[in-house]
Amino acid sequence: QVQLVQSGAEVKKPGASVKVSCKASGYTFNTYTIHWVRQAPGQRLEWMGWINAGEGNKKYSQKFQDRLIITRDTSTNTAYMELRSLRSEDTAVYYCAREVTLYFDRWGQGTLITV
Amino acid sequence: SYVLTQPPSVSVAPGRTARITCGGNNLGSKHVHWYQQKPGQAPVVVMYYDSDRPSGIPERLSGSNSGNTATLTISRVEAGDEADYYCQVSDSSSDVVFGGGTKLTVL
Repeated sequence: QVQLVQSGAEVKKPGASVKVSCKASGYTFNTYTIHWVRQAPGQRLEWMGWINAGEGNKKYSQKFQDRLIITRDTSTNTAYMELRSLRSEDTAVYYCAREVTLYFDRWGQGTLITV
Repeated sequence: SYVLTQPPSVSVAPGRTARITCGGNNLGSKHVHWYQQKPGQAPVVVMYYDSDRPSGIPERLSGSNSGNTATLTISRVEAGDEADYYCQVSDSSSDVVFGGGTKLTVL
């Protein structure tokens, strides 16, 4: 079955960087786009960006343009989200999600990042 | 950037009908998708392309989208429907937008 399994929770100091992984299984990885969405405690879902796992092209939300890097490794079917220059407001659960023609049909379990 | 507006909360008695709205400029020209999120869990899609239900989602859930408002309707509400619900669209620049979320409380 389709699964997205994310790396574990992390605690970071302000100014540091964090890299979260999202390992896909149960489908052909390079035929879908992976998005990253975060949710601060008690807050709404916030879209961060996406990467086309096959072609590698990507798009970032303007809010994160200068400190977000999304990559993928097709040899391990894994997508990555790296956020730099962390601040307390970045404390959130970070999700990866698989896009199926404009909506998300599978989500990772979420990764709590505490700054 | 595009904005989606949802009521923060909706309350309904068991067995009644809940309607959760999502407002946006000319929203009817876009495809709206809905997610259910229970505490401590990842979101789950419950409606896509305005009114299509994924397999496993009960027929009690239905969706519509016209003008400036999309609506997720939950008929014969059950205790298990209590959750946060988010609407989502993709805008013209391929950015994704979520609504602010609506907490559905079953009285």
